[in-house]
Amino acid sequence: DPKIIQKPKYLVAVTGSEKILICEQYLGHNAMYWYRQSAKKPLEFMFSYSYQKLMDNQTASSRFQPQSSKKNHLDLQITALKPDDSATYFCASSLPRGQDTQYFGPGTRLLVL
Amino acid sequence: GQQVKQSSPSLTVQEGGISILNCDYENDMFDYFAWYKKYPDNSPTLLISVRSNVDKREDGRLTVFLNKSGKHFSLHITASQPEDTAVYLCAAGRNQGGSAKLIFGEGTKLTVSS
Repeated sequence: DPKIIQKPKYLVAVTGSEKILICEQYLGHNAMYWYRQSAKKPLEFMFSYSYQKLMDNQTASSRFQPQSSKKNHLDLQITALKPDDSATYFCASSLPRGQDTQYFGPGTRLLVL
Repeated sequence: GQQVKQSSPSLTVQEGGISILNCDYENDMFDYFAWYKKYPDNSPTLLISVRSNVDKREDGRLTVFLNKSGKHFSLHITASQPEDTAVYLCAAGRNQGGSAKLIFGEGTKLTVSS
């Protein structure tokens, strides 16, 4: 059974629209993350949460908003989508303090037309 | 600038040989170093990691060497197999408040030829 679920696997959106990327983890972790990989760029850190609280935000744009409704959920809302937002978005999780091994979900591939 | 850098975008090794993948970093506050394996259209999978209080860790055919003074770490894969062919990502981070932002390198594509 997959331990980190990301939905949907593929997503096509039009410029200017809004989408929500879903992430749920069943590893019992309390730290969750979002990363993004655009074409020909390194995997890039976006957000980290610990115990449902934002710890770090490296995303300059407020169009990207994480949402944590439960401790094993960290969704990513993206508004006013742009073609440059096209990328694969990976959710990850880890054990809390002192344990840094991060496990990645399968990713959501977003294409903005 | 790129805080974590893999200077070799690709590497080809003969089956049975040793694959050596290198990674340099800039931030001397990093205290966690990891290597991930990634296939196209798949997510990264952790291979091996070390904390800054050790300079070497072995796990089967994998060994990580950490040189903190040189801000460099490497992954050695002995007895390389064709199934080791993949993209290898190095990552470094610092644990803060129960989470750690990982900074990834650009990746090295390893090809093991039979």
